[in-house]
Amino acid sequence: AQSVTQLDSQVPVFEEAPVELRCNYSSSVSVYLFWYVQYPNQGLQLLLKYLSGSTLVKGINGFEAEFNKSQTSFHLRKPSVHISDTAEYFCAVKYQGTNAGKSTFGDGTTLTVKP
Amino acid sequence: SQTIHQWPATLVQPVGSPLSLECTVEGTSNPNLYWYRQAAGRGLQLLFYSVGIGQISSEVPQNLSASRPQDRQFILSSKKLLLSDSGFYLCAWTRLDNEQFFGPGTRLTVL
Repeated sequence: AQSVTQLDSQVPVFEEAPVELRCNYSSSVSVYLFWYVQYPNQGLQLLLKYLSGSTLVKGINGFEAEFNKSQTSFHLRKPSVHISDTAEYFCAVKYQGTNAGKSTFGDGTTLTVKP
Repeated sequence: SQTIHQWPATLVQPVGSPLSLECTVEGTSNPNLYWYRQAAGRGLQLLFYSVGIGQISSEVPQNLSASRPQDRQFILSSKKLLLSDSGFYLCAWTRLDNEQFFGPGTRLTVL
C-alpha cells in the first residue's frame, strides 16, 4: 500500500536555528512530491513541489527540499527559521498513474519556533 | 486567478442532525474536487473525490455523502451526524499532475 511517513510529529526549535522536517514514502513507481503548510484554522498552502528535473527544490518563505530517490525521501529544510514559521507541515505524494490526481498525505509535523 | 470558497466557516450541530457543507471553485473549469477531514492533531483523511458532474468516488465507508450538482460545486452531506464526525473539513481542487489548492475549511463540532 502507498504510504507517506513524516518521522517527527513535533519539532521544537529556537528562532534563527536551522530545521529539517523528514518525510519518507513507499513507492515502486515514479512520484510527484509536495510540501504544504497549514497555519491554525486555515487551509493548506503549497510550499514547494518536485515534479521532475533538479532534485533540490526551492519554495516559498526560504524553504527547500531534496528528493532522494534511492532513500525514497523528500526532507524539508530551512537554514534559519522565524517565529512566523510556526505551523503544521504536511508532506504529500502523488503516484504517477493515480486516478484523479489524488495525493497521499503524511500525518503532519508541528513546527514550533521559540524566541 | 482561481479561488475556492467554503461555507460555513464554523458549525455546531447536535448529534443526529443533518449536515450540508458547500464548496465552490472560481476561475477554472472541470476541476477534480476533493473533500478531506482533519481530526484534531491528525493528518488529512480523503473522504470523497470527483472528476466531473455527478461523478463521486468514496474513499472510506461512513455516514457522509457527497454530490457535485455543478462543475464547480461540491457538497458534503449527512442525514444524521455522529460525535465522530467532528473535525475540520477541507475542500480542494486540482488539475492532473499539479498541486492541490485548498479552501479555508469548515470547523464542525458535533455535540
